[in-house]
Amino acid sequence: KAGVTQTPRYLIKTRGQQVTLSCSPISGHRSVSWYQQTPGQGLQFLFEYFSETQRNKGNFPGRFSGRQFSNSRSEMNVSTLELGDSALYLCASSLGGPGGAGELFFGEGSRLTVL
Amino acid sequence: GENVEQHPSTLSVQEGDSAVIKCTYSDSASNYFPWYKQELGKRPQLIIDIRSNVGEKKDQRIAVTLNKTAKHFSLHITETQPEDSAVYFCAASGGNTPLVFGKGTRLSVIA
Repeated sequence: KAGVTQTPRYLIKTRGQQVTLSCSPISGHRSVSWYQQTPGQGLQFLFEYFSETQRNKGNFPGRFSGRQFSNSRSEMNVSTLELGDSALYLCASSLGGPGGAGELFFGEGSRLTVL
Repeated sequence: GENVEQHPSTLSVQEGDSAVIKCTYSDSASNYFPWYKQELGKRPQLIIDIRSNVGEKKDQRIAVTLNKTAKHFSLHITETQPEDSAVYFCAASGGNTPLVFGKGTRLSVIA
């Protein structure tokens, strides 16, 4: 079974630009979560989608948005990029059924550098 | 919302010694507590998890303990080996709430 795939793996943008990151979950997984990883801050939750609906949202500004498609693939968008947005963006998928959390399967991440 | 504190941020042990990483959480409704290991340049991977109806769980050299009253849980690694060197993250969640991670512990096992 293929793992979680994220594209692009690396990208460089300048301040003010916008970026779209893509995530293809493991087949059969309906939940996709996004995390921002920076040195010293660990994994900070951005948002979670389940069956095309945003189920949870973290404490990030409105410049960060996402969506999920009917095939469970997800995208996140960051508009008006700031230097502080430089980070590794990790996508994770899970079965996401009701009744409790389960194992998250992470992708390799998209490393964004904002100049 | 949930807040997870993790200590220490760095830990160095001699090969063969034990390592202990501790986490506290704030939301008494949390009932799922996993631990993830992230090797340098790789993705985080689940190594062990525990649910609130269990006080302790073991898997070979790794064990996790949970104290719901005190709202803290710990990871214990015995007989550490160089390949245990990595960053370890604890996390907590309840029901359909998102998994909230601690800031990580960088473990170095010195041969």
